[in-house]
Amino acid sequence: DTGVSQNPRHKITKRGQNVTFRCDPISEHNRLYWYRQTLGQGPEFLTYFQNEAQLEKSRLLSDRFSAERPKGSFSTLEIQRTEQGDSAMYLCASSPVPSSYNEQFFGPGTRLTVL
Amino acid sequence: AQSVAQPEDQVNVAEGNPLTVKCTYSVSGNPYLFWYVQYPNRGLQFLLKYITGDNLVKGSYGFEAEFNKSQTSFHLKKPSALVSDSALYFCAVYSSASKIIFGSGTRLSIRP
Repeated sequence: DTGVSQNPRHKITKRGQNVTFRCDPISEHNRLYWYRQTLGQGPEFLTYFQNEAQLEKSRLLSDRFSAERPKGSFSTLEIQRTEQGDSAMYLCASSPVPSSYNEQFFGPGTRLTVL
Repeated sequence: AQSVAQPEDQVNVAEGNPLTVKCTYSVSGNPYLFWYVQYPNRGLQFLLKYITGDNLVKGSYGFEAEFNKSQTSFHLKKPSALVSDSALYFCAVYSSASKIIFGSGTRLSIRP
């Protein structure tokens, strides 16, 4: 399977704990995106990388959130001191460097439940 | 700011009938529009996009979308619905910062 993969698929944690998610993009894609999707809503942009550089962060990404893409390949999204409001599906997507507004390819997501 | 609106939370259609899922957009500059579909427990899948050119765009699984500049709409259509088309559909617009802005989604339900 050469699509975008995400691990874990599901994560249940207690409030206050830290969690980390991983995304492996399509191998030749330079850009990697993180989105958050809550029930009944469309995905909301969090941040994106071009290679290893983090080029934009949404104001939705509070100080408790950090994302990395250290070698320009896989990426991690960490949430510190989780809150119940962090419960959502976290989606990762990748695309080649846009030349003609290429579509983004999404992974299956990581569903986070904070108790 | 770029945005899209999906005025219908749910659309119900009988199998074999044509379907339309509505989307309107608000953009500064040229619109670059997408439709994605989300099946349960699966990631979003790209259906089609409008960048420029013909107003009728053909995509995956027999879907097409009609770009209408005067009505600022980009409705998704299919001539004959299948039960397997039942899913959550998102209209989206490409933002200036390379991210995609999604609508709130429309749940399409096809009854046998």
